[in-house]
Order: sequence, then structure tokens, then C-alpha cells
Amino acid sequence: AQSVTQLGSHVSVSEGALVLLRCNYSSSVPPYLFWYVQYPNQGLQLLLKYTTGATLVKGINGFEAEFKKSETSFHLTKPSAHMSDAAEYFCAVTDTGRRALTFGSGTRLQVQP
Amino acid sequence: GAVVSQHPSRVICKSGTSVKIECRSLDFQATTMFWYRQFPKQSLMLMATSNEGSKATYEQGVEKDKFLINHASLTLSTLTVTSAHPEDSSFYICSAKVGSLNQPQHFGDGTRLSIL
Repeated sequence: AQSVTQLGSHVSVSEGALVLLRCNYSSSVPPYLFWYVQYPNQGLQLLLKYTTGATLVKGINGFEAEFKKSETSFHLTKPSAHMSDAAEYFCAVTDTGRRALTFGSGTRLQVQP
Repeated sequence: GAVVSQHPSRVICKSGTSVKIECRSLDFQATTMFWYRQFPKQSLMLMATSNEGSKATYEQGVEKDKFLINHASLTLSTLTVTSAHPEDSSFYICSAKVGSLNQPQHFGDGTRLSIL
């Protein structure tokens, strides 16, 4: 069984500050990891993904995440927050045997002016 | 590329009504489509996995007779909520992907279902 834990249901940062959203996963096989963003009343947009290869992955809108196997983590970062980054962020995992995603509980990011 | 269209975006109807939600992959062929349900301020919960031409696989606790899924082609899957009741009110989101395991799922914009 797989699971995803997102620490912090709400994160608030000032505009221009570093964004750090935490994600830890549990998987008995090598995971495929994803970060999605959701704006109100909309579906999910893929920010970035890790499958194999380089452990530091860069995504859209200046976000990046690093896969750390020893820590079973896949934290999402952005050097400088923008007001438009305010949204709900979901970390998700799948394995090589299943195709469905298991989502974390989500983190709501607020960006203060 | 990789656009998934979900329709309708919002439905408000009376209790006992059946509601059909469509999920289309516009510019790719989706071998697999997924249906998720999201309650307010909660995460997405997988309801079922739909493969073209075969019966959907439902997650534990999801009533297959309540939530009918049809995946008639490689670009269309439908979810029908039969005899909907207020407790079925939720945000339903579909996603689609091609067969390769390391390809991401592409999500529709969701359907807000409100049963009065």
C-alpha cells in the first residue's frame, strides 16, 4: 500500500519569500511522484513529476522538488512566492504496478502582500 | 497538448435525478481514465479506474450500481450518478492518461454536483 503525508494543511508566506511545501511518501516499490496545483473550483494542473533519473526536478511556474529516497521525501520549493501562487497543492504517488494516484491531503498556500 | 474536457462544470438538480458527467481527452487517446471525488477542503479520493472496452474497477466502498461508468472509446468516459441524493453532492474530477506508466495523468476541470 502507498500513502502520502503532507505536513501542514495551511502554509502562509509573504510575497517574495521562499515557499516550502512538505511531502513524505510510503511505498514498497520505487515511486513515481507528482505535485499538482488546484485553483478554486478547477481540476488539477501538473506542476512537476519524478519518475527516474535526476532527483531534482524542475516544473512550471518556477517550482522545483527534490526526491530524497533516504528521507522518503519529495518537498516542493519555490525561491520567491508570487501572489498568483496562492492555491491548493497536492503531492501524489503511484508505483510501477498501479496506475492510479494516491494523493496527500493537500496544502493550502496563502501568499501575503 | 494533453487536454481533458469535463462537462458539465456544474449541476444542480433535485433528489432522485440521475446525472451524467462526460470526460473527454481532446488531443490524445486515453487508455485509462480515472474518476475521483473530492469533498470540500479534502483531498481527491479515487472512485474507479476505467479502461476502454472493459468494465470499470471500483474502489472499496464505492457502489458500482450507484456510480455507473462507461468507457466507450479511447477519448470518452462517462460517470452517471443514478438516483442522486444530497449526500452525493460533491466535486467530481476525471483524469486520463496514456498507457506508459511514467506519463502523468491529465485532469479535467471537475464537475460540481449539488443535489437539493
